[in-house]
Amino acid sequence: ETGVTQSPTHLIKTRGQQVTLRCSSQSGHNTVSWYQQALGQGPQFIFQYYREEENGRGNFPPRFSGLQFPNYSSELNVNALELDDSALYLCASSWGTSGNNEQFFGPGTRLTVL
Amino acid sequence: SQQGEEDPQALSIQEGENATMNCSYKTSINNLQWYRQNSGRGLVHLILIRSNEREKHSGRLRVTLDTSKKSSSLLITASRAADTASYFCATLRSNDYKLSFGAGTTVTVRA
Repeated sequence: ETGVTQSPTHLIKTRGQQVTLRCSSQSGHNTVSWYQQALGQGPQFIFQYYREEENGRGNFPPRFSGLQFPNYSSELNVNALELDDSALYLCASSWGTSGNNEQFFGPGTRLTVL
Repeated sequence: SQQGEEDPQALSIQEGENATMNCSYKTSINNLQWYRQNSGRGLVHLILIRSNEREKHSGRLRVTLDTSKKSSSLLITASRAADTASYFCATLRSNDYKLSFGAGTTVTVRA
């Protein structure tokens, strides 16, 4: 059984650019949730994908978008990057959308926007 | 906005001592979960306690939940250097699907 993996590990971009982050879910999991964690803060829910559809969204603007593929892996895309987008981006996979199901987190992608 | 608030923000203890941290939240919940994070990396799930439970144990961890006070505590007994990490509580509100995390407690265990 493979765990949740994310790529890349680190990324440096400049304001206005676009970025794509990738997440491979744990074997057997069909749901992926994305979180943004600013330095010194707890993770903030961005959105969740289930069966290739967005299942719910937190308080993030439309320039944050995502995809889920048939193999349940997922991408997070951020357009028109702003300095405040600098953060650790975490994905978590689970079986089903219920919050009662344990979420398994990946190691994260550290994004720095200059 | 964050649903949970951990207290204290930081904690420094000697190896072998117990560490206690608290989490308060604002709305009714379905469950409350505790996570550990080492050096800004991925989160590790520690324990989940449902709203109808009052106490759970897992190894050296003990979690309590008081829904009347909207608070939870995490106790780590006989701490080790490897317990040095940030600890987060996360709540799942009733009829919701997403977790809301607090800002965390940073625990340092001194050898």
